This record gives sequence, structure tokens and C-alpha cells, in this order.
Amino acid sequence: KAGVTQTPRYLIKTRGQQVTLSCSPISGHRSVSWYQQTPGQGLQFLFEYFSETQRNKGNFPGRFSGRQFSNSRSEMNVSTLELGDSALYLCASSFGLPPYEQYFGPGTRLTVT
Amino acid sequence: SQQGEEDPQALSIQEGENATMNCSYKTSINNLQWYRQNSGRGLVHLILIRSNEREKHSGRLRVTLDTSKKSSSLLITASRAADTASYFCATSPIQGAQKLVFGQGTRLTINP
Repeated sequence: KAGVTQTPRYLIKTRGQQVTLSCSPISGHRSVSWYQQTPGQGLQFLFEYFSETQRNKGNFPGRFSGRQFSNSRSEMNVSTLELGDSALYLCASSFGLPPYEQYFGPGTRLTVT
Repeated sequence: SQQGEEDPQALSIQEGENATMNCSYKTSINNLQWYRQNSGRGLVHLILIRSNEREKHSGRLRVTLDTSKKSSSLLITASRAADTASYFCATSPIQGAQKLVFGQGTRLTINP
């Protein structure tokens, strides 16, 4: 089975712009979760989608949003980028049922200048 | 904010030695998982232990879980240079179960 794929792998944006990241889960997985990883805050949960519905949300401002399509692919969007949004954004997929074992993609490295 | 803390933050050992990493967490959990990350890349799932389990093995990995102390440990036996990576524990809280809460990670270096 193909693993989780994320596109693009690297991205450079300037402050104030917006960005869309894409994630394709493992075939058969219905849940996609997004995480932000920074040196200062570590790995933090952004949100989780299951069958096109946001099921869980982390403590991030409304500039961070996401969606999931009927084929389980997911996108996350960050509007009005800030320097502090520079991070590795990781997507993880799972069946969405206990015990919620998650499989991660390689990540998208976002740099905001 | 993160639920757990890992100890030590960094560990350097010789190839062939055993490496032990510890993780503590704050709230009740469904399960606890360990992941490995190489140089800022994606996380690789290593092992999952359920809240009603006390010990689990997978190859050279041994994980223990003590829910009364809210702590877990990961033991890697007979370490290899390829084990050099950061190791994270992640808990699945009973409330909001699909959301993984990660510890800060332990940076493990295996010296040849």
C-alpha cells in the first residue's frame, strides 16, 4: 500500500500571503489529522477530519482551516501568514476508529519570510 | 501545549548498548504510542500500548506502561547506528480520542 503523501514538500511564502497544503491518506483510511511541528512548541495537533467532517480541533487561531473531500484527501489552509507559522506541517491518516494508530506523511516544510 | 514530558531530552550511547527513554503524561488515556522521527522528516509509528496493557514487545523494542504513575518507557536493545533519531511518545486521551498529544521527544544518538 502506498503511504501518506503530502504536497508540496517545501514552500516559501511571504507574510500576509495564504497557503494551501495537501494530504492524500493511505487507501481505506477515512481519518486525516494535521499537526504543526516547531522547535519551540514541538508537535501540536491542529485538527482532524473524518468522513468530510471536522471531528476534533486543536488550539489554533481561525487563520488555520482545513477540509476533507469525499475521497478522504485533505487540505489545510493558512491565511494571512505570520513568521511564526514557519514549521513542518505533518499529516497523518488512520481508519478513524480505536485505537487510532496513525500513519504520518513526510511533511511540508513551510518557511514564511 | 503538550501533555507529556520525555526524559532524557538527549541521549548518546555506543552502538550495541541499550537505550531507555521515559515519558510521563497528565491525563487518563486510551493508549500510548511511540514514534520515531529522522531529521525533521515524517514520524514512523513504532508501537502502541493500550491502557489495559503493562508491557509490549516488538523486535528490539520493549514498551512498558504504568497508568498509576502516568508513565511509559521505551527500551531499544542492541542499538544500531540506524536507530539515531528523535523518539516521541504520544497519548490518545480518553476525551477527544483521535487527537494525539505528543511529548517533547528524546534525541537519541548512537555512536559507532
